[in-house]
Amino acid sequence: QSVLTQPPSASGTPGQRVTISCSGSSSNIGSNYVYWYQQLPGTAPKLLIYRNNQRPSGVPDRFSGSKSGTSASLAISGLRSEDEADYYCAAWDDSLSGLYVFGTGTKVTVL
Amino acid sequence: QVQLVQSGAEVKKPGASVKVSCKASGYTFTSYYMHWVRQAPGQGLEWMGIINPSGGSTSYAQKFQGRVTMTRDTSTSTVYMELSSLRSEDTAVYYCAIAARPDYYYGMDVWGQGTTVTVSS
Repeated sequence: QSVLTQPPSASGTPGQRVTISCSGSSSNIGSNYVYWYQQLPGTAPKLLIYRNNQRPSGVPDRFSGSKSGTSASLAISGLRSEDEADYYCAAWDDSLSGLYVFGTGTKVTVL
Repeated sequence: QVQLVQSGAEVKKPGASVKVSCKASGYTFTSYYMHWVRQAPGQGLEWMGIINPSGGSTSYAQKFQGRVTMTRDTSTSTVYMELSSLRSEDTAVYYCAIAARPDYYYGMDVWGQGTTVTVSS
C-alpha cells in the first residue's frame, strides 16, 4: 500500500492543461525530492521530472513539476494524444529505513 | 549507450525461488546504484530495493525483507535479484533501473526491458 496518494484518473482535451497531485507526509515529500514517471502501455517507466522540478534532456517543457510542503504536482500543458499514459510520483521515505515509495498512479486520458 | 538487459520470462510454482539478472553496459558498472521495481498485472509500481554495485551493500523494502536478495558480479557487470517463497501475488513484471547521472539523484532514467515472472501451480 503506497504512502503517496494520487487521483486514479485525470483527463482533458488536446491543448488543455492537466494537473496531477501527489500527497505525502513529512517523512517523504516533506523532506526529500519528488520524482515523476510516465508509463505508456506495455513499456517500462520513463523519468519525466527529477529533484522536484527538473526535466531530463528530451522531455518537453510541456511537463512541469512543483512541490509545496508535503504535496507535489505534475502539470501537463498543451495536452497531446501521446500523453495518454499512467503517471507516478515517487520519493524517498525516511521513516522506513530508506524506502523509496511510488505513488498510487494516475491514468491520464486525452478525450 | 547505457543499457540494462534482463533475463527472460520465468514460470515458477508457489514456494519456489526465482533469480532475475540485469546486465549493464555502456557505463562503469560500479558508478550507479541499481534499483529493482515490480509491477503486478494492472497494478502500480512497487519498489523492492537497491544495491550498490561497488561494495554490494543493499537496502530492501520492508515488505520484502527476508525474501529478497540482491547481489552483483562485477566481472560480468550483472546484478541479480532473487525472490524466494514465491506466491501467486508475486506474479509481476520485474524491472531493474538506474539513475545514470549523479544530478538525477534517485530519478531512474535507464530501465531494463522487464522480466515477467509468473507464479502458478
